[in-house]
Amino acid sequence: KAGVTQTPRYLIKTRGQQVTLSCSPISGHRSVSWYQQTPGQGLQFLFEYFSETQRNKGNFPGRFSGRQFSNSRSEMNVSTLELGDSALYLCASSWEGGRTDEQYFGPGTRLTVT
Amino acid sequence: GENVEQHPSTLSVQEGDSAVIKCTYSDSASNYFPWYKQELGKRPQLIIDIRSNVGEKKDQRIAVTLNKTAKHFSLHITETQPEDSAVYFCAAVGNDYKLSFGAGTTVTVRA
Repeated sequence: KAGVTQTPRYLIKTRGQQVTLSCSPISGHRSVSWYQQTPGQGLQFLFEYFSETQRNKGNFPGRFSGRQFSNSRSEMNVSTLELGDSALYLCASSWEGGRTDEQYFGPGTRLTVT
Repeated sequence: GENVEQHPSTLSVQEGDSAVIKCTYSDSASNYFPWYKQELGKRPQLIIDIRSNVGEKKDQRIAVTLNKTAKHFSLHITETQPEDSAVYFCAAVGNDYKLSFGAGTTVTVRA
């Protein structure tokens, strides 16, 4: 079975721009979660999607948004980029996002904001 | 929400020795505790997990223990090898269904 994939792997953007990242889950997985990883803040939960609906949300500003398509692929968007948004953005998929479901991570998208 | 604390932040061990990483959590309703290993430039990889209905789980050289009363869980790596060098994260899923991570432990295995 193919693992979680993310595109693009690297991005360089300028402050004020917006960016869209994509995540394809493991086949059969219906839940996709997004995380931001930085050296200072560690791994922080952004949001989770299941059946095209945002089911859970972390403590990030409204500039961070996402969506999920009927094939479970998910995208996240960050608008009006700030320098502090530079990070590794990881998505993880699981069967149904249940409390004891195993989550498997993609390779991440490294976003650099200049 | 869930708050997970992880110690130590760095750990250096001699090859062949054991390594122990400890985590505590705050949400008494948490019932799933995975551990991830992240090598430099790679994705976090699920290496072992434990659910609240068991106290210990082993998989070859790694084991995890859970004490629900004290709200702490630990990762034990025996007979460490150079390929065990990585950052290890503990995590817990609380009542809010969110996966909350510890800050990570950088493990270095000295040859």
